[in-house]
Amino acid sequence: GAVVSQHPSRVICKSGTSVKIECRSLDFQATTMFWYRQFPKQSLMLMATSNEGSKATYEQGVEKDKFLINHASLTLSTLTVTSAHPEDSSFYICSAVAGGKETQYFGPGTRLLVL
Amino acid sequence: SQQGEEDPQALSIQEGENATMNCSYKTSINNLQWYRQNSGRGLVHLILIRSNEREKHSGRLRVTLDTSKKSSSLLITASRAADTASYFCATGDRGYIPTFGRGTSLIVHP
Repeated sequence: GAVVSQHPSRVICKSGTSVKIECRSLDFQATTMFWYRQFPKQSLMLMATSNEGSKATYEQGVEKDKFLINHASLTLSTLTVTSAHPEDSSFYICSAVAGGKETQYFGPGTRLLVL
Repeated sequence: SQQGEEDPQALSIQEGENATMNCSYKTSINNLQWYRQNSGRGLVHLILIRSNEREKHSGRLRVTLDTSKKSSSLLITASRAADTASYFCATGDRGYIPTFGRGTSLIVHP
């Protein structure tokens, strides 16, 4: 149990385009989902916290207009990188928490490369 | 911001040996969690230890927590090549949102 999927696993796009990444909890309802960014050999940096049916809470320094997050249902959250630039190239990981629980379950990550 | 910091940054051992990783943090916590990440993959939750616990076991894993020293250790006994991965500690000081350190890169040579 407690499986989280991400799609796509890898994406290459041209500078200026937008990319949508999906995060799904497959066998539980995720009241909260988190989006992280990770640079090579670095820690995970929390970008935003997403609660179903409400606006996401962004961490300081994360542009909410650039990284659009939608948590439309208890099993799906999406992160859209708008007008992507090469510096947005990174590994994006989502995680999900069931209501009242402490453990986060992570997706396998999405590798984004912006040319 | 509160952040666990792992030590050492890199660890290289032979199969069968024990691997010990340490984590230090700065402020009071509700819990501390250890995660594992294989290269280019998501994180796998290994174990959670609460602030009122001192030691916890799960299979070949043993985690200790010393809140007076603000430190935790993860011991992997009888390591295997498949244990090769990065290991992160995460401190739960913002409700249940863990804050991650940089990780320890473990290489187990067969």
